[in-house]
Amino acid sequence: DVKVTQSSRYLVKRTGEKVFLECVQDMDHENMFWYRQDPGLGLRLIYFSYDVKMKEKGDIPEGYSVSREKKERFSLILESASTNQTSMYLCASSLWGGNQPQHFGDGTRLSIL
Amino acid sequence: ELKVEQNPLFLSMQEGKNYTIYCNYSTTSDRLYWYRQDPGKSLESLFVLLSNGAVKQEGRLMASLDTKARLSTLHITAAVHDLSATYFCAAVEGDYGGSQGNLIFGKGTKLSVKP
Repeated sequence: DVKVTQSSRYLVKRTGEKVFLECVQDMDHENMFWYRQDPGLGLRLIYFSYDVKMKEKGDIPEGYSVSREKKERFSLILESASTNQTSMYLCASSLWGGNQPQHFGDGTRLSIL
Repeated sequence: ELKVEQNPLFLSMQEGKNYTIYCNYSTTSDRLYWYRQDPGKSLESLFVLLSNGAVKQEGRLMASLDTKARLSTLHITAAVHDLSATYFCAAVEGDYGGSQGNLIFGKGTKLSVKP
């Protein structure tokens, strides 16, 4: 089975802090994604990556950056956390190809105080 | 810009009944995905629909795709409590080849099946 592991289930940080969310997948997937999930808004794509060191902006990249130095690891960085970034963050991965589903991690519930 | 709309957003059903969740999308998309999310859990892939007329079934759930109508349906047959979850559909905007970016999700349908 595919395993997508997010480093923390719950995280509390303060405004202005630099926050790192880590995601690791164990199935040699080319594609990796970061979403945020908010009530009433569904899932929104922040960034995705289709190869090492490659990254593409999604719908809501402002205030975020990403890093993919190794194929199995995709990091989301909040450069200077703000309260409006309090949310559930979901990482996903998939094989290259449109007929492949995305596999999601358990999520990180991030609170910015 | 692709928009994906699901309805209903909330659905309360009795066990044993049938119902359909609808997923409309606003521009051309040749792929449609369905996911399930249990409370406090992550998303689980249910179906990937790749062509017009595609139909897939798993247990009490059946999904179909009509690309001409820009509509996908998720039909629930003889609902049981274990199907209580939030169901999301997602379509792909633009041509991103195999990278699957950008996948646009609907807001989800929260299904509650009561005895």
